This record gives sequence, structure tokens and C-alpha cells, in this order.
Amino acid sequence: AAGVIQSPRHLIKEKRETATLKCYPISRHDTVYWYQQGPGQDPQFLISFYEKMQSDKGSIPDRFSAQQFSDYHSELNMSSLELGDSALYFCASSHQGPGNTIYFGEGSWLTVV
Amino acid sequence: KQEVTQIPAALSVPEGENLVLNCSFTDSAIYNLQWFRQDPGKGLTSLLLIQSSQREQTSGRLNASLDKSSGRSTLYIAASQPGDSATYLCAVRSSAGGTSYGKLTFGQGTILTVHP
Repeated sequence: AAGVIQSPRHLIKEKRETATLKCYPISRHDTVYWYQQGPGQDPQFLISFYEKMQSDKGSIPDRFSAQQFSDYHSELNMSSLELGDSALYFCASSHQGPGNTIYFGEGSWLTVV
Repeated sequence: KQEVTQIPAALSVPEGENLVLNCSFTDSAIYNLQWFRQDPGKGLTSLLLIQSSQREQTSGRLNASLDKSSGRSTLYIAASQPGDSATYLCAVRSSAGGTSYGKLTFGQGTILTVHP
């Protein structure tokens, strides 16, 4: 079965530009999560969606926004990019409910120059 | 605020050894704990999920235990192989507050090297 699919896998942007990351969850998973992992850091929770509604919010900058669409895929939009935004961005998905395993994608590498 | 700590930060062992990775968390109000493996520059592969009501889970050469009351979990790897070399992360899903169940709090990870 296909896992969580993220695109693009690698992205290079200049400061102050905008980037959009896409995530396609595992089939029939209704919940999507976004995490950011800086170099040498552990993943930090950004935001999550359940049935196309934002369900929780973590340390997501105001310059970032995200949404989940009717086909359950999600997009993370990042504007006014800063050098510190360079990181590995993970999308994950699961069935709703605390007892379910969360599955992560391979991540999207964003480099801001 | 939940904090997760993993010890040791790095571990180097010869092939064939049994080893234990440790994870501790400060808030015992958790739904579950999940162990992940991460290869350099790659995604997170889920290894084991232990519900808060469970004491341990096993998958092949891996065994994870959970002592919720003391805020500790261990990942036991039997008969280690060079292919086990990776960073191992534990993450807890907290139940205190919030409306979603998805926020995982990760430890910093243990970098494991198994040499032939």
C-alpha cells in the first residue's frame, strides 16, 4: 500500500519568497499533520487537520498557513521565507483517534538561500 | 509541557549485541508512545506503538516496554545488525488538554551505529 506522499522532495528558495509543500495521505486516513525538523533537531509539530478542519495548532509561524482539501490532501504554504525556515518538513497521516499509529512521509527538504 | 528525553544520545556497538535505548517523559498523561527509526535525510519509519494501557509490544527483534507511571520506555534490539544503524526517536502523544490527538512530542533521538 502506498504511504504518505510528499512533494516536492527538495526545494530551494530565496529569502522572502513563497513555497508550497503538498501532502497526500494514506488512503482513507482522515487526519493530516505537519512537522518541521531543523538540522540536528527533533521534529516539531506545526499543525493538524481532521476532515478538512484545523484540529490543532503548534509552533507554526504566522507566515505559514495550511489547509486540507476535499480529497484529503493538504498543502503547507510558507511566505516571506527566512533562512531559519530551512528544514525538513514532514507530513503524516492517520485515522482520527488517539490510539492510531501516525505514519510519516519521506519529507520535503526546504533550503532558503 | 511535555518533555521527552532519550539516553544515550549516541551508541556504537559491534554486530550481534543486544542493546537498550531509553526514553523518558515528564507528563504521564499520555495516550500512547511510538518508536520511530530515521535514516539520514530520510523520513520517519514507525517501529512500534504502545498504548498507555499496555506494558510492551514486540515486532521481530524489537521489543518496546512502557512504564507510564514512572514516565519511561525502553526499546530493546536483539542481535543487532549493521542495517540497524540509524537514529531512533521516541514520541509521546499526550492526553492532557487540547482537542486533537495528533501532537507528538519527540525526544532528541539516539544515534545507533552497529559495526561489523
